[in-house]
Formats: sequence, structure tokens, C-alpha cells
Amino acid sequence: AQTVTQSQPEMSVQEAETVTLSCTYDTSESDYYLFWYKQPPSRQMILVIRQEAYKQQNATENRFSVNFQKAAKSFSLKISDSQLGDAAMYFCALADYGGSQGNLIFGKGTKLSVKP
Amino acid sequence: ETGVTQTPRHLVMGMTNKKSLKCEQHLGHNAMYWYKQSAKKPLELMFVYSLEERVENNSVPSRFSPECPNSSHLFLHLHTLQPEDSALYLCASSQDGGSNQPQHFGDGTRLSIL
Repeated sequence: AQTVTQSQPEMSVQEAETVTLSCTYDTSESDYYLFWYKQPPSRQMILVIRQEAYKQQNATENRFSVNFQKAAKSFSLKISDSQLGDAAMYFCALADYGGSQGNLIFGKGTKLSVKP
Repeated sequence: ETGVTQTPRHLVMGMTNKKSLKCEQHLGHNAMYWYKQSAKKPLELMFVYSLEERVENNSVPSRFSPECPNSSHLFLHLHTLQPEDSALYLCASSQDGGSNQPQHFGDGTRLSIL
């Protein structure tokens, strides 16, 4: 069975500093996709970044980057130059290539607080 | 308008009531989803529709009944719900049902069962 584990229920970072959110997963598939979603208090889940497992290069989106370690099944999110608007719940999610449509497996989330 | 719109934003109902949640997407997507988000639990996929056909039903109790009249609209009909059904219900859409496609979410309906 596929699982996604986020071991940090809560994290805190000072504004302008860097923070890393952890995510580990388990799957027997060799091809899959990994996502980080952000859910601010407004409740809308927003895609932050996406990584294809067959790509060795880590995905980046502006201040957001990932450290994808396929052998270790680790997919951490690094937020650089943290801003107050980054405060939210962050969810790591896994989808296997060609798997059941819409079968995103989510972790329990990490609540990120940003201190001014 | 936002890409995915859900109404109502909040809903309080008794266990004997019948109500419906509505989701509308303005993104031209062909796949739509219902998720349940409970406190301290991962999001749970409930239903998936692709091109208006249901393709996934993750063993959801029959008191939840989805309806997808067209590719832009998705409903979740509720009847005889239980207190444990209180949760945030999120709707999402994607270009198609492929697992590489990012899903776009609505703001959710906060459901409270009395």
C-alpha cells in the first residue's frame, strides 16, 4: 500500500529565514509523481510544486524547492526567504504513474507558522 | 472568478435532513473529485468523475451520493448523515484524470452534523 508520512505536525520559521518540511513515502511503483500542496486559512488547497520520479533534477518554483531522494523515498520542501503569506498547512502527496485516476495519497500535513 | 467554486461555504444540518453540496469549475477540466478532510487525518478521496463518468468510489457509505450532470458541475447529495461525517468537503478538478495532472481545489464546504 502507498503511504505518505509527514513527521512534523507543526513548524515555525522567522520571516526571511529558510525552513525545510519533511516528507517520506512508500510505494512499490517505479514511476510516480510527488506534490506539495499549501492550504492557507482560506481553506483552498493550492499546488506549490510537482516532481516526476523519473527526473533526477530537483524541482524549483521561485522560493520553493524540493530535495528529492528517490532511494530514500524522501521528498522535502525548502522554503527560502519565508514570508508571512507562507503561513499555512502544507501537504505532501503521492500519485503513481498510470494508477487509479485521481488517486492522490496525502500526508497528514505540517502547520507552518511564520514569525515577523 | 476563482477556478473551482463550492457552495455553500458552511452547512449545519440534522441527521435526518437532506442537503446537497455544489461544485463548479471554470477551468475547462474533464475530471472532478470529492475529498473529505477531517481533523488530524489525511485527505480522503471519495469520488472521481472523468468525462462525467464515475471512475472511482472509495467505499463511501451510500448516505453520500454524487452527481455529475456535466463536466463543469459536481454535486454531493447528503441524507441521513452521522456526527462523524462532520468535516471539510473539498472539490477539485484536473485537466483529465491522469495522475500527473495537478488538481485545482475549491475552498470547501464546512459541514457540521448535529
